[in-house]
Amino acid sequence: DMKVTQMPRYLIKRMGENVLLECGQDMSHETMYWYRQDPGLGLQLIYISYDVDSNSEGDIPKGYRVSRKKREHFSLILDSAKTNQTSVYFCASSPSARTDYTFGSGTRLLVI
Amino acid sequence: SQWGEENLQALSIQEGEDVTMNCSYKTYTTVVHWYRQDSGRGPALIILIRSNEREKRSGRLRATLDTSSQSSSLSITAAQCEDTAVYFCATVNYGNEKITFGAGTKLTIKP
Repeated sequence: DMKVTQMPRYLIKRMGENVLLECGQDMSHETMYWYRQDPGLGLQLIYISYDVDSNSEGDIPKGYRVSRKKREHFSLILDSAKTNQTSVYFCASSPSARTDYTFGSGTRLLVI
Repeated sequence: SQWGEENLQALSIQEGEDVTMNCSYKTYTTVVHWYRQDSGRGPALIILIRSNEREKRSGRLRATLDTSSQSSSLSITAAQCEDTAVYFCATVNYGNEKITFGAGTKLTIKP
């Protein structure tokens, strides 16, 4: 099965700690994305990566950074996490947004 | 109707009924995605419709796209309890591969 895998599924961190969310895909898709989803709201794009070391800010990049050193892996880093970064984070990958799009199952992050 | 600036909407119908969810968008697109999201899971792409298709079917699902009115719809025929989920539309920015999501419709099918 072709899929996007996110690790970990659940994470609790204290305010000020660094957070690493990882995403992998086995479809050799060039483009990968990080989103956050808050209750009752839609998905907000944090970063988009067009390929290795080719990353672009999304709509809400402040407080986040990303790393993509291999095509199949895309990481989201929160340096010094804040309580307002408590959310569900989704990774997605796509060969082209005009043809297909696959999401992972999400990482539920709680910052206390 | 849904779009990104609106909060999640809720819709409840009886099993066996038909339902249509609408989506209006503001920026030009040639592709609209429709997703369903089950509780605790990631969104899953269920229909992708292009501007040259106007209508697309997949089982009991039917999507339409009208680029002149910048609107799309998703219909479910004879809804089943397992259709209970949140449904999102999304538009694709042709130039930068970014997609923009609507806030979604929480659809509940009652037995």
